Amino acid sequence: AQSVAQPEDQVNVAEGNPLTVKCTYSVSGNPYLFWYVQYPNRGLQFLLKYITGDNLVKGSYGFEAEFNKSQTSFHLKKPSALVSDSALYFCAVRDSGSSNTGKLIFGQGTTLQVKP
Amino acid sequence: DTEVTQTPKHLVMGMTNKKSLKCEQHMGHRAMYWYKQKAKKPPELMFVYSYEKLSINESVPSRFSPECPNSSLLNLHLHALQPEDSALYLCASSQLRGVPGQLPATDTQYFGPGTRLTVL
Repeated sequence: AQSVAQPEDQVNVAEGNPLTVKCTYSVSGNPYLFWYVQYPNRGLQFLLKYITGDNLVKGSYGFEAEFNKSQTSFHLKKPSALVSDSALYFCAVRDSGSSNTGKLIFGQGTTLQVKP
Repeated sequence: DTEVTQTPKHLVMGMTNKKSLKCEQHMGHRAMYWYKQKAKKPPELMFVYSYEKLSINESVPSRFSPECPNSSLLNLHLHALQPEDSALYLCASSQLRGVPGQLPATDTQYFGPGTRLTVL
């Protein structure tokens, strides 16, 4: 069965410092991985995705994520955090294997708090 | 343009009311989705339409009735809801390529801003 884990409910970081939001996954085939951000009372905004190719994926608003097949991880990173990055972040996965129904499987979400 | 619009933004209804949520996209996407999201939780898939046909129903109670009148519009008709149905309802869309009836695993879903529903 497909699953996604975001081990931290909340991540706190000071403005200007690098940030990492962790995500690990479990699929039977090749993973297709996505990151979304949700600001209060808003819908989900797509940040980036990994399908194939370069393990380092660059996305919107200066975010990037590194795919690590051996560790089954897809951590979201940003070199210098902004207060405006404070939001709820979701990692999601789809499976390329026969179990794929096209459904996105979401992690439980990580709240990022960036303090001035 | 990756915009999905939803109306209304907020909706308050009684348990005996009938109301509808509307979703619209003009990106030429042929897959459209309804999700339900409780506070600080991940979205839960409710329905998927592909090529205007219902392809996935996640065992949603019949008091929720989806409709896809054309390739740009998706409605969710609500009737006799319960207070526990109060949530943010999100619409999403994605391109649909390949074999009809299959949802490509690589396609990105783009979400609307949601309708905040309160059932009294």
